[in-house]
Amino acid sequence: NAGVTQNPKFQVLKTGQSMTLQCAQDMNHNSMYWYRQDPGMGLRLIYYSASEGTTDKGEVPNGYNVSRLNKREFSLRLESAAPSQTSVYFCASLPGLGISYEQYFGPGTRLTVT
Amino acid sequence: AQTVTQSQPEMSVQEAETVTLSCTYDTSESDYYLFWYKQPPSRQMILVIRQEAYKQQNATENRFSVNFQKAAKSFSLKISDSQLGDAAMYFCAYNWYSGGSNYKLTFGKGTLLTVNP
Repeated sequence: NAGVTQNPKFQVLKTGQSMTLQCAQDMNHNSMYWYRQDPGMGLRLIYYSASEGTTDKGEVPNGYNVSRLNKREFSLRLESAAPSQTSVYFCASLPGLGISYEQYFGPGTRLTVT
Repeated sequence: AQTVTQSQPEMSVQEAETVTLSCTYDTSESDYYLFWYKQPPSRQMILVIRQEAYKQQNATENRFSVNFQKAAKSFSLKISDSQLGDAAMYFCAYNWYSGGSNYKLTFGKGTLLTVNP
């Protein structure tokens, strides 16, 4: 199992450009998440998907859209990138329903918007 | 609202010594889980230890143990016999049920641990 994979690992964008961050998991997990990590801020939830076909906003959704393409894939789109979106982005998946389950994280994407 | 507070932005420890990282949280729920995640320079998030709120016994994983004080809403991580490989950012996280099929993690801001040889 590859676990949770993310592409790309690094990206530099100019202000106003758009891009899609890809995430896939091969563990047959139902729930998937997108977080951003900024210095001194911990990880903050952007969007999540409890199951295929459903998505919901998290704590910091402004400027982002998501697509749960199928059970494996959950993408994050920046339509018009802004310098404030410079961050490290993590995708995660959850193996089951219940608070005892840990989330499994991808390796992250470092995004710089100039 | 669920909040998690890590009051120590940075900590340092000598190799082979013991260090304790602090975490407090706020919740009105009675059943929940608490986690400590480690993030080394590789950026990969690694689960270190978990604690169920209903269990009075503190969780232990090898050199890592917690001091869970439910009434005080405190969840500290103790690392014994610190090793150079323990140097990382450590995040405390609270796992909670938000309705329907939705489960969420709320993270603290992290503590950067340095291990000195």
